[in-house]
Amino acid sequence: DIVMTQSPDSLAVSLGERAAINCKSSQSVLYSSNNQSYLAWYQQKPGQPLKLLIYWASTRESGVPDRFSGSGSGTDFTLTISSLQAEDVAVYYCQQCYSTPPTFGLGTKLEIK
Amino acid sequence: QVQLVQSGAEVKKPGASVKVSCKASGYTFSIYYMHWVRQAPGQGLEWMGIINPGGGSTTYAQKFRGRVTMTSDTSTTTVYMELSSLRSEDTAVYYCARDLASRPYYYYYMDVWGKGTTVTVSS
Repeated sequence: DIVMTQSPDSLAVSLGERAAINCKSSQSVLYSSNNQSYLAWYQQKPGQPLKLLIYWASTRESGVPDRFSGSGSGTDFTLTISSLQAEDVAVYYCQQCYSTPPTFGLGTKLEIK
Repeated sequence: QVQLVQSGAEVKKPGASVKVSCKASGYTFSIYYMHWVRQAPGQGLEWMGIINPGGGSTTYAQKFRGRVTMTSDTSTTTVYMELSSLRSEDTAVYYCARDLASRPYYYYYMDVWGKGTTVTVSS
């Protein structure tokens, strides 16, 4: 199985500042035939299910604010929140969809400084 | 609106089975694959398997093969996940989640999630 490693485990950022979360896969999740990386980002608030934010590493899901962006290719990926809002406090997970079983990172807890 | 409504919390003894339901509404049930994912307390997220609600075909994660059964009922737009031979390590929140793509495709991106069903395994 592909192992997804996220860093940092937790992160405290001031309101209005930029937050960046990293995700590394144990093997490439880039599918050469379509040049797409099979990588998603999710947000989970306490007591709630996951919410899809980003897929294909950089495609924003409908309705997701444009302060959320995804970047990277191959094995190294980043989720960036350009200007942190109070409602962004959550745990963020990356997920690879390149091979079965799809696997998730252990999550990064984002808090307000 | 698109939603997945899951059945209520369960408490089971070791060795028993549990069957969790997930009723879909607001979209064409048969054309979107459905996943089951679980989240144990303080643990990571585990993908358990996927079902084609229209045809009933399934793929299970190797870890759960032999213990999990996923089924669907198109007349009630409901999918089910049954896990047998329960042990304490199966204590978790179980989620159903719809695949982002519609048939014939599925990508393992999950765009709609149920609220989760807590299953507690305790003697």
